Amino acid sequence: DQQVKQNSPSLSVQEGRISILNCDYTNSMFDYFLWYKKYPAEGPTFLISISSIKDKNEDGRFTVFLNKSAKHLSLHIVPSQPGDSAVYFCAASEGLTGTASKLTFGTGTRLQVTL
Amino acid sequence: NAGVTQTPKFRVLKTGQSMTLLCAQDMNHEYMYWYRQDPGMGLRLIHYSVGEGTTAKGEVPDGYNVSRLKKQNFLLGLESAAPSQTSVYFCASSPWTSGSTDTQYFGPGTRLTVL
Repeated sequence: DQQVKQNSPSLSVQEGRISILNCDYTNSMFDYFLWYKKYPAEGPTFLISISSIKDKNEDGRFTVFLNKSAKHLSLHIVPSQPGDSAVYFCAASEGLTGTASKLTFGTGTRLQVTL
Repeated sequence: NAGVTQTPKFRVLKTGQSMTLLCAQDMNHEYMYWYRQDPGMGLRLIHYSVGEGTTAKGEVPDGYNVSRLKKQNFLLGLESAAPSQTSVYFCASSPWTSGSTDTQYFGPGTRLTVL
């Protein structure tokens, strides 16, 4: 049972345009969400996160939106750059403080930014 | 800082052989994790550790054992490798924080093939 779903395996966007990556979850106990970026032959690297007490978090070109009622979050990249081409993983945890954060990952979306 | 390192980067085993994957982190993090990533699937948690001398099962622990004898090292063992354990293995670490769930930092991965 996939608790975190990324229904788009791939996405192609032109340089300078907006990239929107989507993620849905089913576990109502999740209250902390993260996006990781992964290049080939490397480990995932943290990109941005959001707590369930917020509906938006912004960091430079990256913004994450959370809709708790719909159990949906999205990552917006504006403007998209060729270096953003990578696989993006959505992850969620129950956000228990002071203990290990066991993450549940989605299957990933491969973003290709074209010139 | 090297961050999180993994040894080896690649390994080919025959069915029934054993091996140990080593993960090391130099960030003085309390928590360490082992994940596997398979095609079309997200990263799945195998085992994790909340501190030196402690380990716990994750989502897919069968066929693996772990040990955390030193705070900076987390070992993943396969006692009798099976083809179903062909995968890319990622180690991660995260610090203890009292205020919020913190992010995990990943190593570059070990690609294991079991014939």
